[in-house]
Amino acid sequence: ETGVTQTPRHLVMGMTNKKSLKCEQHLGHNAMYWYKQSAKKPLELMFVYSLEERVENNSVPSRFSPECPNSSHLFLHLHTLQPEDSALYLCASSQVRGGSSPLHFGNGTRLTVT
Amino acid sequence: QQQVKQSPQSLIVQKGGISIINCAYENTAFDYFPWYQQFPGKGPALLIAIRPDVSEKKEGRFTISFNKSAKQFSLHIMDSQPGDSATYFCAASYTGGFKTIFGAGTRLFVKA
Repeated sequence: ETGVTQTPRHLVMGMTNKKSLKCEQHLGHNAMYWYKQSAKKPLELMFVYSLEERVENNSVPSRFSPECPNSSHLFLHLHTLQPEDSALYLCASSQVRGGSSPLHFGNGTRLTVT
Repeated sequence: QQQVKQSPQSLIVQKGGISIINCAYENTAFDYFPWYQQFPGKGPALLIAIRPDVSEKKEGRFTISFNKSAKQFSLHIMDSQPGDSATYFCAASYTGGFKTIFGAGTRLFVKA
């Protein structure tokens, strides 16, 4: 396995369900990100973890709960979601050194909330 | 101040033509300007990036032109091919920050 892997690829859940999205990176990077991609909107940064510590939390509703147990794995726990939360959820990683570095994205989880 | 404005929203180009996508930013602290390419069902992938100490960067058929005084940068795709049909995002970030700000995206369709 190489790059950034996300599972599941598709997820349909009801508003009362609890589910988790999983991300794994095989690039040896030290930062991991969750982004939300909705139609006709710019990618929205949700959470950032650097060296397993959360460094950014972009005013995301508490029904989204991230977890980063180590530098290779990132989870997004979902509960009591709303239909407007339906979107493509992208995980990314990067190697943060002295300057900015590119993001490496997974192929996303397409989430539908019914 | 944190926005990156991208235009056009969509673009149709004949095969062999030049595709041009423009972006503008406000925050002068930005020091890294990547472009990402996204195909349906895939995540965005880095295409080419530039830092503000150069005015142009070329990689194959893809060129970034950067105008620091105007706070604008653009992607040129020369000899556009049907395989270039995708959504393109410009972005900006700065050293010491974890936030990459993305433009809204441009859907490019190259007609064969």
